[in-house]
Amino acid sequence: DVKVTQSSRYLVKRTGEKVFLECVQDMDHENMFWYRQDPGLGLRLIYFSYDVKMKEKGDIPEGYSVSREKKERFSLILESASTNQTSMYLCASSLSGLGVTEAFFGQGTRLTVV
Amino acid sequence: QKEVEQNSGPLSVPEGAIASLNCTYSDRGSQSFFWYRQYSGKSPELIMSIYSNGDKEDGRFTAQLNKASQYVSLLIRDSQPSDSATYLCAVAGVNTGNQFYFGTGTSLTVIP
Repeated sequence: DVKVTQSSRYLVKRTGEKVFLECVQDMDHENMFWYRQDPGLGLRLIYFSYDVKMKEKGDIPEGYSVSREKKERFSLILESASTNQTSMYLCASSLSGLGVTEAFFGQGTRLTVV
Repeated sequence: QKEVEQNSGPLSVPEGAIASLNCTYSDRGSQSFFWYRQYSGKSPELIMSIYSNGDKEDGRFTAQLNKASQYVSLLIRDSQPSDSATYLCAVAGVNTGNQFYFGTGTSLTVIP
């Protein structure tokens, strides 16, 4: 079974803090993604990576950065947390190839910024 | 911007009925189509994937794809209360850099 593991299930941080969300997958997937999910807005892509040290901006990258130093690990960084970054954060991974196969999700991190 | 539209719901069906969920997409180059189920407070889990026109059945679930109409649907037969969840339609393609585009989801409630 593919496993995507996020480091925290719930997180509470203060405004202005630097926040690290970690994601690890164990199936040697090339592609990894960070989404945030808010009521009524669905899943919005923040960043994705298709290879080690490669990253592409998604639809809402402002205020976020990412790091992928190893194939299995994709980190999301909130440089200076703000209350409007309170959200559910979901990491996902997928295989790369001739076609696009399904994305597998981690359990999600519910981040609250106070 | 690649768009994926779902009927917003909420959708309520009685137990044992057929639930029909619909999705349209804007990018004609899309190649891969997925239905995810998401329970409240949980992460999405894959129910069905479909890659070619026609129907694909898996147990009580049937996915239907019509690329000419840019339309994909999910039918749930013999709906059970445990099917109550939000269903997300996702579309992807290699020409979009392997990115997944999600609809905002349809909330389904199955009434016992």
